[in-house]
Amino acid sequence: LAKTTQPISMDSYEGQEVNITCSHNNIATNDYITWYQQFPSQGPRFIIQGYKTKVTNEVASLFIPADRKSSTLSLPRVSLSDTAVYYCLVVLNFGNEKLTFGTGTRLTIIP
Amino acid sequence: DVKVTQSSRYLVKRTGEKVFLECVQDMDHENMFWYRQDPGLGLRLIYFSYDVKMKEKGDIPEGYSVSREKKERFSLILESASTNQTSMYLCASSPSGSKNDNEQFFGPGTRLTVL
Repeated sequence: LAKTTQPISMDSYEGQEVNITCSHNNIATNDYITWYQQFPSQGPRFIIQGYKTKVTNEVASLFIPADRKSSTLSLPRVSLSDTAVYYCLVVLNFGNEKLTFGTGTRLTIIP
Repeated sequence: DVKVTQSSRYLVKRTGEKVFLECVQDMDHENMFWYRQDPGLGLRLIYFSYDVKMKEKGDIPEGYSVSREKKERFSLILESASTNQTSMYLCASSPSGSKNDNEQFFGPGTRLTVL
């Protein structure tokens, strides 16, 4: 069964914009897409949530195409403190709905 | 400040023992969740609860049970611990009666080792 997939890891230099994409082909019709950040030895922390098009807050932007089968988290001008694992969370529908986290993307910021 | 607490940060148990993991939230949230987190597999949902005394199975409920007698407390029970249950266990809560609202607040996690 198709799940929620993300790149395993990404590297970026400080000051650059980073885009992390999550693929979720079987997303449920009425549910939101949510992204979390996790530092070592901590639980995940909510970053941003959206349903369609674009959402922006003080931390990140979230881009969602019309078909909603993917979403892209955009972090502007990253710093060393953005080194973390990033997860998307969606509700998938394979006949019954299931809340599903992506496998996570380990982002490393290089000075 | 929003708070989800878990009873232990680290726990070591022996195969066959009964294990209780406790989670308490102080935000009056209806929803509570238990996940396990393993390298390369991300977070997988074990059980969740939308209200007191209600529970629903997640993706991997086998070998686990849960209890929610009070709104603020959600317990995960390993009836007979096995080595393949060695993992990081994360509890979360969210403020809505519907899972459409997926802004979950997580505890710090319990790293369980079963010998």
